[in-house]
Amino acid sequence: NAGVMQNPRHLVRRRGQEARLRCSPMKGHSHVYWYRQLPEEGLKFMVYLQKENIIDESGMPKERFSAEFPKEGPSILRIQQVVRGDSAAYFCASSPNPRGDSETQYFGPGTRLLVL
Amino acid sequence: GESVGLHLPTLSVQEGDNSIINCAYSNSASDYFIWYKQESGKGPQFIIDIRSNMDKRQGQRVTVLLNKTVKHLSLQIAATQPGDSAVYFCACLNQAGTALIFGKGTTLSVSS
Repeated sequence: NAGVMQNPRHLVRRRGQEARLRCSPMKGHSHVYWYRQLPEEGLKFMVYLQKENIIDESGMPKERFSAEFPKEGPSILRIQQVVRGDSAAYFCASSPNPRGDSETQYFGPGTRLLVL
Repeated sequence: GESVGLHLPTLSVQEGDNSIINCAYSNSASDYFIWYKQESGKGPQFIIDIRSNMDKRQGQRVTVLLNKTVKHLSLQIAATQPGDSAVYFCACLNQAGTALIFGKGTTLSVSS
């Protein structure tokens, strides 16, 4: 059973460009979470999505950031007009059922975004 | 707001020793806790979890202890090996059940 997949693993963008990060959850998981990690820090929650729905986006910056999880295809985290402060590792996690007996979130390998 | 904190940012042990990593949380209503291991350049890897209706849970070489009275969580690693060297994070599920709240991490260094 393949784990959570993320691509690209590394992404370099210049200030003002757009960054698109992709996440495919584990097979059978319909809940996806995005987290951001700065160097020497823990992970910070950004957004939680189910298929076609945003459930909790309380950790998302109000501007330039958006996320989607379409009916078909991977979840996308999109950062428009990137700035140097967006440089970080972005991790996606998935779970089968966050409020049942299966809240465990399994993480992907992350996308390391560097903004020049 | 809800928060999670670790007691020590670094821990150095000898191979074969037992390691204990401690964590404190703020929300007494938290009902799910989890430990992750993160190696350099990789994503967090699930180690063990525990619900608030338990005070101890054991896995292979690892034990998680939960003390709800003082809102304290610990991870014990038996017979620590060099391959256990990594950053360890504790996390708890927020009250809404929508997000994990992470501590800053403890870097475990194992010398042989």
